[in-house]
Amino acid sequence: LAKTTQPISMDSYEGQEVNITCSHNNIATNDYITWYQQFPSQGPRFIIQGYKTKVTNEVASLFIPADRKSSTLSLPRVSLSDTAVYYCLVGDAGFNKFYFGSGTKLNVKP
Amino acid sequence: GAGVSQSPSNKVTEKGKDVELRCDPISGHTALYWYRQSLGQGLEFLIYFQGNSAPDKSGLPSDRFSAERTGGSVSTLTIQRTQQEDSAVYLCASSSGLDPDTQYFGPGTRLTVL
Repeated sequence: LAKTTQPISMDSYEGQEVNITCSHNNIATNDYITWYQQFPSQGPRFIIQGYKTKVTNEVASLFIPADRKSSTLSLPRVSLSDTAVYYCLVGDAGFNKFYFGSGTKLNVKP
Repeated sequence: GAGVSQSPSNKVTEKGKDVELRCDPISGHTALYWYRQSLGQGLEFLIYFQGNSAPDKSGLPSDRFSAERTGGSVSTLTIQRTQQEDSAVYLCASSSGLDPDTQYFGPGTRLTVL
């Protein structure tokens, strides 16, 4: 089952673009890659999901190289409200087990 | 529509007591998950229900933990003879069970074992 590795923390400043990379060397053929955001005292919230290449929505972009052994969440022009923990999640083919990474604590400074 | 709800939001109990945590998933969602999150840590998968299939209990940390899902909807996570290391936030999520899948999380139950 694919597990993930992320940086423990990152610092950024308002208005900057932030890129958070997740490693998932054992990703399976049918696995999708999903990113969640979690604020203190709240449950995680879905941000974006992808299988390969690039996915973009109104919140973020997700870049996945051809080998799919990693993925990069890109947050454009972050604000203080983007300070949160970001989790990379790789779905088992049967969707019966999900392993959240350790999460990356993003701290956005003014 | 209503999201995933959990109750109670906070639970304080004494070591050795049993506790029940409740999760109401989004209506129509066939899949339901329980996770545990200790202070400052990531999410630990506990158990997964999908429709009427037998649940995947492989993440339950000990036989003191059990979970049920009645009628394919509400789920209860029971912890017997609670220990201090059980103190954590217990999160429930539900999903449509379609491929690819997106989980919607509840606010969690904060359990404190004294």
